[in-house]
Amino acid sequence: EDQVTQSPEALRLQEGESSSLNCSYTVSGLRGLFWYRQDPGKGPEFLFTLYSAGEEKEKERLKATLTKKESFLHITAPKPEDSATYLCAVQADTGFQKLVFGTGTRLLVSP
Amino acid sequence: EAEVAQSPRYKITEKSQAVAFWCDPISGHATLYWYRQILGQGPELLVQFQDESVVDDSQLPKDRFSAERLKGVDSTLKIQPAELGDSAMYLCASRGGLGIWNTEAFFGQGTRLTVV
Repeated sequence: EDQVTQSPEALRLQEGESSSLNCSYTVSGLRGLFWYRQDPGKGPEFLFTLYSAGEEKEKERLKATLTKKESFLHITAPKPEDSATYLCAVQADTGFQKLVFGTGTRLLVSP
Repeated sequence: EAEVAQSPRYKITEKSQAVAFWCDPISGHATLYWYRQILGQGPELLVQFQDESVVDDSQLPKDRFSAERLKGVDSTLKIQPAELGDSAMYLCASRGGLGIWNTEAFFGQGTRLTVV
């Protein structure tokens, strides 16, 4: 069964203090790994798609990387507006390509 | 910019009553998902449609939940009767379709259900 595990569950950073979020996955055959940002009371907002090991994507202060077993979301010099829950999801390359989510990392950036 | 529309945004209902949620996906998207998200947890898939057909409803509590997408466009998720444990955010998402590269799933704003 496809599984996604995210760590840490919660992370508190000072503004400007860089860090990384981890997403470990088990999937029969990876079609894609997705990162989403979710603000309280809202739907997830798409950030990145990664398809193969070694791939990297960047957007502003965020950079996502992928290996055969895990993905990292690196946050460089975060700002308070980066505070949100970050969700990771995998899509298998079999069947109807179900999208399976992890439980997320709650990030709080203090000024 | 194209968006996934959901309504209502909030719903309060009494235990044992019926409740329905509506979703209008991005135009042209063949794949539609309904997810349930309990506070502090990740989204859990309830049902996946490919056009008008259900392709995965393995986690849908079929004794009380039903979903339809009659013309392969908009979709309705119904709960009857609602139970206290159904209180959650119900999220709808859509993507271009199977076998298509570079198609991410886009989410609506969700419906927050509170059962009292």
